[in-house]
Amino acid sequence: DGGITQSPKYLFRKEGQNVTLSCEQNLNHDAMYWYRQDPGQGLRLIYYSQIVNDFQKGDIAEGYSVSREKKESFPLTVTSAQKNPTAFYLCASKAGGYYGYTFGSGTRLTVV
Amino acid sequence: QKEVEQDPGPLSVPEGAIVSLNCTYSNSAFQYFMWYRQYSRKGPELLMYTYSSGNKEDGRFTAQVDKSSKYISLFIRDSQPSDSATYLCAMDSSASKIIFGSGTRLSIRP
Repeated sequence: DGGITQSPKYLFRKEGQNVTLSCEQNLNHDAMYWYRQDPGQGLRLIYYSQIVNDFQKGDIAEGYSVSREKKESFPLTVTSAQKNPTAFYLCASKAGGYYGYTFGSGTRLTVV
Repeated sequence: QKEVEQDPGPLSVPEGAIVSLNCTYSNSAFQYFMWYRQYSRKGPELLMYTYSSGNKEDGRFTAQVDKSSKYISLFIRDSQPSDSATYLCAMDSSASKIIFGSGTRLSIRP
């Protein structure tokens, strides 16, 4: 079955650490996205990529970094510069034309 | 002012009731309108998708778009406890980046 796989499901980060969230898709979609979800704030766009080796900042990119070396993969690194990283992180992808996003099941990141 | 406004709820209705969920928006360039359903601790799933104004029906769900009023709605008929979830409206102008509402938490009481 085609879909998006996010791992891990739960992640704990110590203060000052960088952590990387994985996102892999086998839908052959060109565009991929990272969103952050906080209670009462909906989904906020962190980064997106429409083709391999190219990506753009979203609305809240500070403290995050991404890479897009393969079509299937779009990992997100939460750096120590991100002051409030505790949140639910969602990866999504989209086919060309218009059919809406397909989302992964999310990674819940907690700072300990 | 946010580009997309959505009442966060929570909204609680008895089983079998008709549910009405709504969003307003400010960007007249939006052309693609969507509703996503998100169960607790899961990723959102696309429920309905409409291009431009008009109505679209799929089973118990009806999506309405009124571009003149910048207002979209989702109606759920014969609501079931399994419909209990957070519903997110979403819209896009260029088919490259979607703007989401903050979500309405819906609870259907058996």
